[in-house]
Amino acid sequence: SAVISQKPSRDICQRGTSLTIQCQVDSQVTMMFWYRQQPGQSLTLIATANQGSEATYESGFVIDKFPISRPNLTFSTLTVSNMSPEDSSIYLCSAGSGANVLTFGAGSRLTVL
Amino acid sequence: TQLLEQSPQFLSIQEGENLTVYCNSSSVFSSLQWYRQEPGEGPVLLVTVVTGGEVKKLKRLTFQFGDARKDSSLHITAAQPGDTGLYLCAGESTGTSYGKLTFGQGTILTVHP
Repeated sequence: SAVISQKPSRDICQRGTSLTIQCQVDSQVTMMFWYRQQPGQSLTLIATANQGSEATYESGFVIDKFPISRPNLTFSTLTVSNMSPEDSSIYLCSAGSGANVLTFGAGSRLTVL
Repeated sequence: TQLLEQSPQFLSIQEGENLTVYCNSSSVFSSLQWYRQEPGEGPVLLVTVVTGGEVKKLKRLTFQFGDARKDSSLHITAAQPGDTGLYLCAGESTGTSYGKLTFGQGTILTVHP
């Protein structure tokens, strides 16, 4: 299965700023996803990162707040824009192809002051 | 939106005891996955069940998928302190693309020596 590197692993940000999280996979994958895990809670799918086209967002998540890029089959970024304390969370990237195991990154823990 | 109800939310037991975690939904899933997540890490896949009534064993862990593919259980025999962690069930909905998962709320398991 793929190995995923996410960075930053953690960051503390000021309200109103934006942060971009990077997800690098060690092999080409068909599917890449971004999830959010709020403190003490489970994972919620933000969007599917589509290679070469706009991401597909789940209900409650919009492109203006969470712009996503996926320029190739091994890399994606998620930006959390105009952050507020409610955006404090762990953001996780996952990736896989077909019948291969879906792998998760270690996550990026974001704290917004 | 398909929901997965996972219970119990917290479980604190002594080493050697048995336990069962349940994952229930009113919706049918094409597959159901169980993950274990440790602090600072992303979820790690334990097992995927696909066929209704399927039972899979992974050492002291037994996973079962309900006949109607709406529910699943994870049973741990003779729990060890190393089993401590967050256990998550996740369902892949019928008719959706690979990798789009709906997660249960998670079960935080603590096994005391």
